Amino acid sequence: QKEVEQDPGPLSVPEGAIVSLNCTYSNSAFQYFMWYRQYSRKGPELLMYTYSSGNKEDGRFTAQVDKSSKYISLFIRDSQPSDSATYLCAIGAAGNKLTFGGGTRVLVKP
Amino acid sequence: DAGITQSPRHKVTETGTPVTLRCHQTENHRYMYWYRQDPGHGLRLIHYSYGVKDTDKGEVSDGYSVSRSKTEDFLLTLESATSSQTSVYFCAISGTRNTEAFFGQGTRLTVV
Repeated sequence: QKEVEQDPGPLSVPEGAIVSLNCTYSNSAFQYFMWYRQYSRKGPELLMYTYSSGNKEDGRFTAQVDKSSKYISLFIRDSQPSDSATYLCAIGAAGNKLTFGGGTRVLVKP
Repeated sequence: DAGITQSPRHKVTETGTPVTLRCHQTENHRYMYWYRQDPGHGLRLIHYSYGVKDTDKGEVSDGYSVSRSKTEDFLLTLESATSSQTSVYFCAISGTRNTEAFFGQGTRLTVV
């Protein structure tokens, strides 16, 4: 079993819809939770960073962490075609090493 | 791109030849990482460095070595390339928190 599980998708939504992404993890020592966006043939780009349970909002993006359930989510409101990308969750523990989910491919159709 | 430059961006090499990939940062950050990304496996850590001459193994370090003689440069070497090392390689650096990673644009390596 992988330490971090993420549905690979693809997830196809119409423009303007809410995109809902999630990851589950198994190691309760994980302390830092991140979401990255990766466009085709580009490096991953950090979108959201949090280290506590609860919600964090940044523009159209909301990251949610539930440590008791070992579950993290990313919501994208008012999705745009430019949001079409692969989204990766990343989770870290002390020691500065991140464990990544496999990524979910998202397609936002005009 | 967080001040990270990877070179080369693309390389085709033959099985059994040595290959060195370079990562250069202008941010003066302490931690640097090498990942590989493959379909079905996601991003996997190869090696990382926490300072000049201080390096450690990641989860897929077999067949790879690294060196860091200056803060700004982190080299990844495939001593004798194999077809299983065909992949996209990403270098990353930590940020001010030392717990996140900022990635370069990647090097696409093909071993034939």
